[in-house]
Amino acid sequence: DTEVTQTPKHLVMGMTNKKSLKCEQHMGHRAMYWYKQKAKKPPELMFVYSYEKLSINESVPSRFSPECPNSSLLNLHLHALQPEDSALYLCASSLTGGAQPQHFGDGTRLSIL
Amino acid sequence: AQTVTQSQPEMSVQEAETVTLSCTYDTSENNYYLFWYKQPPSRQMILVIRQEAYKQQNATENRFSVNFQKAAKSFSLKISDSQLGDTAMYFCAFMKARGTGNQFYFGTGTSLTVIP
Repeated sequence: DTEVTQTPKHLVMGMTNKKSLKCEQHMGHRAMYWYKQKAKKPPELMFVYSYEKLSINESVPSRFSPECPNSSLLNLHLHALQPEDSALYLCASSLTGGAQPQHFGDGTRLSIL
Repeated sequence: AQTVTQSQPEMSVQEAETVTLSCTYDTSENNYYLFWYKQPPSRQMILVIRQEAYKQQNATENRFSVNFQKAAKSFSLKISDSQLGDTAMYFCAFMKARGTGNQFYFGTGTSLTVIP
């Protein structure tokens, strides 16, 4: 069982919809990450939160909006997405924001119609 | 800039045999970490093994071991006694040792199939 829980596992939405992805961990980790992964490609970093503050935003379009309400929870709010945003979205956490192994969730498979 | 290269897009191995996945990287950093992650069809990225660049001893984790050659910037993964559950995409990754919010630099991955 994964220690990083992502919901939902699958999401289909239209380009005008607003939805959110949720990620939760209870390992006491203080750094959390969002990645986007296309089929047969490595994950691409989108955002990093360190101690609940956004520390890295890899030039992600504003239609993706991250939120870290507390140290255990990370959300990714989606609005007006494009078909090319269809991908697997992975959440990860690490003990600190330093050179620590990251623990990944199972991901949310997102399809944009 | 850091780059990670995995030159084998696909590999296969017979069950119970040994297979080696290659990874090379380029960096000007002197201290860093290297990782191998596996991603089975279940999608979760699972840490296989981690190597600290300042340690000369190669890391091992049960059937998984690495051959770390710092001067050659090479970091290969050896899987012994391959099992069907080892079938997965394997990603080599680099991370700097300094700073916060450190990010992975991933290779393009090697798809490994274990044949019964």
